Amino acid sequence: DAGVIQSPRHEVTEMGQEVTLRCKPISGHDYLFWYRQTMMRGLELLIYFNNNVPIDDSGMPEDRFSAKMPNASFSTLKIQPSEPRDSAVYFCASTSGEEQFFGPGTRLTVL
Amino acid sequence: SQQGEEDPQALSIQEGENATMNCSYKTSINNLQWYRQNSGRGLVHLILIRSNEREKHSGRLRVTLDTSKKSSSLLITASRAADTASYFCATDAKGSNYKLTFGKGTLLTVNP
Repeated sequence: DAGVIQSPRHEVTEMGQEVTLRCKPISGHDYLFWYRQTMMRGLELLIYFNNNVPIDDSGMPEDRFSAKMPNASFSTLKIQPSEPRDSAVYFCASTSGEEQFFGPGTRLTVL
Repeated sequence: SQQGEEDPQALSIQEGENATMNCSYKTSINNLQWYRQNSGRGLVHLILIRSNEREKHSGRLRVTLDTSKKSSSLLITASRAADTASYFCATDAKGSNYKLTFGKGTLLTVNP
């Protein structure tokens, strides 16, 4: 298995632009999590899905952030419009039980 | 707010020495997990200990859990330079449905 796949690995954009991050979970996993990691705030859970349904989005910072999971093998996290304070590493993780498997992350820089 | 808080924030040791990291948390848990993150990479699961367990071993790793003190420790024995990484504890709170809350981590540096 290739593990959790995220794209792009790096994204540099200008303030005000739309950013879309993508994730392919491990096949057979029915939970998918989106995290954001910064030096100041550490690793924060943004939203998670079970069987493609959002369960808890209380960590989504504001309406500029949205996430979808149209099917079991694909999820997106969208930021529109992006701001410099959104600069961070965004991780996707999946699980079918307790241990979570993380992707390599997307390093987002908003100028 | 962060559920787990690790200490120390940073630890530097020599190869061959043991490294101990601690984690404290606030609410009742189903389990507590430890993850490792190498620089620029995603987190990797190391070990899970359930709330009814007190100690668990996996290779050079030893984890203890004290639910009365709401604390856990991770011991890495005979450390190697390759163990250099950040280590995070994560708690699965009761009723959370597999949602983990991570601490800010301990940065371990093992000097050759």
